[in-house]
Amino acid sequence: DQQVKQNSPSLSVQEGRISILNCDYTNSMFDYFLWYKKYPAEGPTFLISISSIKDKNEDGRFTVFLNKSAKHLSLHIVPSQPGDSAVYFCAASADFGNEKLTFGTGTRLTIIP
Amino acid sequence: DTAVSQTPKYLVTQMGNDKSIKCEQNLGHDTMYWYKQDSKKFLKIMFSYNNKELIINETVPNRFSPKSPDKAHLNLHINSLELGDSAVYFCASSQRGRTQYFGPGTRLTVL
Repeated sequence: DQQVKQNSPSLSVQEGRISILNCDYTNSMFDYFLWYKKYPAEGPTFLISISSIKDKNEDGRFTVFLNKSAKHLSLHIVPSQPGDSAVYFCAASADFGNEKLTFGTGTRLTIIP
Repeated sequence: DTAVSQTPKYLVTQMGNDKSIKCEQNLGHDTMYWYKQDSKKFLKIMFSYNNKELIINETVPNRFSPKSPDKAHLNLHINSLELGDSAVYFCASSQRGRTQYFGPGTRLTVL
């Protein structure tokens, strides 16, 4: 039973355009969401997070949007750069700050120069 | 300066063997974790320790035994290795309730 889903295994975007990565969840107890980025042969690296009391959080080129009623979040990267090519994982936890993260299966983003 | 380090990076072994993976963090965090990423790239938590105390144990076979000698170390010992144990194992650490930082992973291959 996969509680966090990333339905697009891969995404290709032209350099300079916007990349939008999507994530859906089923557990209504989730109230804290994170995005991690992973390069090959490395561990996931934290990118940005959002708690359920917000619907948007922005950090430089990265913005995460949360739609609680739809149980959906998205990560926007603008403008996309070649170094953004990586696998992006969405993760969620219940009880803000709870240690147990549930991850999605990832979306491989390729930025085309 | 490596924040979360794991050794070895690659581990190839025969079925039935016992092996250990070591993890160390120099971030001063009080909580450490082990995750397993299987062939379908699904990253799933196995264990979590806070101040050397087990706080999460996700129904992992008891062939897997984590050991935390101190707050900066969390080692994973696996007995009687099986083919299905082949995966990438990630260690992570955090201050309790905060962002988790991951190590580079250990790719375990059981033949």
